[in-house]
Amino acid sequence: GDSVTQMEGPVTLSEEAFLTINCTYTATGYPSLFWYVQYPGEGLQLLLKATKADDKGSNKGFEATYRKETTSFHLEKGSVQVSDSAVYFCARHQAGTALIFGKGTTLSVSS
Amino acid sequence: GAGVSQSPSNKVTEKGKDVELRCDPISGHTALYWYRQSLGQGLEFLIYFQGNSAPDKSGLPSDRFSAERTGGSVSTLTIQRTQQEDSAVYLCASSLAGGPDYEQYFGPGTRLTVT
Repeated sequence: GDSVTQMEGPVTLSEEAFLTINCTYTATGYPSLFWYVQYPGEGLQLLLKATKADDKGSNKGFEATYRKETTSFHLEKGSVQVSDSAVYFCARHQAGTALIFGKGTTLSVSS
Repeated sequence: GAGVSQSPSNKVTEKGKDVELRCDPISGHTALYWYRQSLGQGLEFLIYFQGNSAPDKSGLPSDRFSAERTGGSVSTLTIQRTQQEDSAVYLCASSLAGGPDYEQYFGPGTRLTVT
C-alpha cells in the first residue's frame, strides 16, 4: 500500500553542520508532501510542504524538493542550530484526506 | 486565537476499561482528524470527519474504537475494553476544510497508558 519511509535516527550533529533527512514515498499519482516537526514538549506543527512535482518547500532555513523521478522529498538545512533539535516527520496526503506519516527522525544538535 | 485542545492530557486506565478522549478543534474548522502515535508504529491515521459527511473510519484498528463529532465541533474518541497495545499518544487535528490545500493543526495529544 501507499507509504512513507524516512531514515531512522537518531541523527546527532554539531551546531552549524549540514542536515539531510531522507524521505521516500510510494503512491498512485502525485500526492502533496509535507514535513512536520515536533519540538520537545510541544505539539506537531507543519514545517513545509510541496504540492506538485519539482516544487520546493522552505521554512526556517529548511528546504525540501518534490522529486517525482526518485519519489523523494528529502529535508535539508545548511547550518543547524541547537534549537532545531526535534523529531521530524515526513508525510503525504492519502486520497485528499488524512496524512500518512513516516516513523519520524530524531535530530539532536549540540553546541 | 485558540488552537486545538485535547483532554485529558494524560490518562491511565486498567486493561478492560472503557476510555473517552476529547478534542476541541479550532473554531470554524470543518475537518477533524484523529491519529495515534505509538513507539514502533509512528503516527497512524484513525478517523476523519468532514462537515456533515459520513466519517472516514478506514484507520480504526478494531471495532473497539469509535468516534463521534457532535454539532460539527467537539469530537470524542472512545476505546472500549482497552488493551495494553492501545497505550499511545492520541492526537487530534483540525483544518479549515478537507484536502491537501488546508493545513492540519494538531493538538497537544492525550497520553493513554493501559496497565
